[in-house]
Amino acid sequence: AQSVAQPEDQVNVAEGNPLTVKCTYSVSGNPYLFWYVQYPNRGLQFLLKYITGDNLVKGSYGFEAEFNKSQTSFHLKKPSALVSDSALYFCAVLDSGTYKYIFGTGTRLKVLA
Amino acid sequence: DTAVSQTPKYLVTQMGNDKSIKCEQNLGHDTMYWYKQDSKKFLKIMFSYNNKELIINETVPNRFSPKSPDKAHLNLHINSLELGDSAVYFCASSQEMGVSPLHFGNGTRLTVT
Repeated sequence: AQSVAQPEDQVNVAEGNPLTVKCTYSVSGNPYLFWYVQYPNRGLQFLLKYITGDNLVKGSYGFEAEFNKSQTSFHLKKPSALVSDSALYFCAVLDSGTYKYIFGTGTRLKVLA
Repeated sequence: DTAVSQTPKYLVTQMGNDKSIKCEQNLGHDTMYWYKQDSKKFLKIMFSYNNKELIINETVPNRFSPKSPDKAHLNLHINSLELGDSAVYFCASSQEMGVSPLHFGNGTRLTVT
């Protein structure tokens, strides 16, 4: 069965510092991986995806993610965090057999001024 | 111009009542979904429709019935509401089933008293 794990419930980072939000996956077959962000009282917003190709994927709002096949990871990164980046971040994998997205449990990012 | 809009935003009702949530997307997408987010922010697929055809029907109680009158609309009707149905329900759409990103509405917070 496909799954993703987000090992950290919360990540705190100072404004201007680089941030990393971790995600590991378990899939049979090719992994189709996504990151979404959720601001309070809003729906999830798509940030970026990895389907195939370059391991470094660039997305919205200056975010990027690195696909690492050997470590089965897809960590979300940003070189310089903003207070406005504070939100709930979800990693997801698409089960290509059933077309179901399986979401991680979410990581709350708090960027401190 | 909201891409995926759902109404109402808040729904407070008593146990045993029947209620509906409406969803409309103006993105021209072929696929629409209902997700449930519980109090711990865990997100789970309930249903998906592709071109008005039911594709995913997760193990949800029969009290939940989706209806897609056309490609742009996917409504959710809930009979005999229970306390455990309290959650935030998100409608989403994607261009097609598969690796297309999901576009979420802002959610309907259902509270059953």
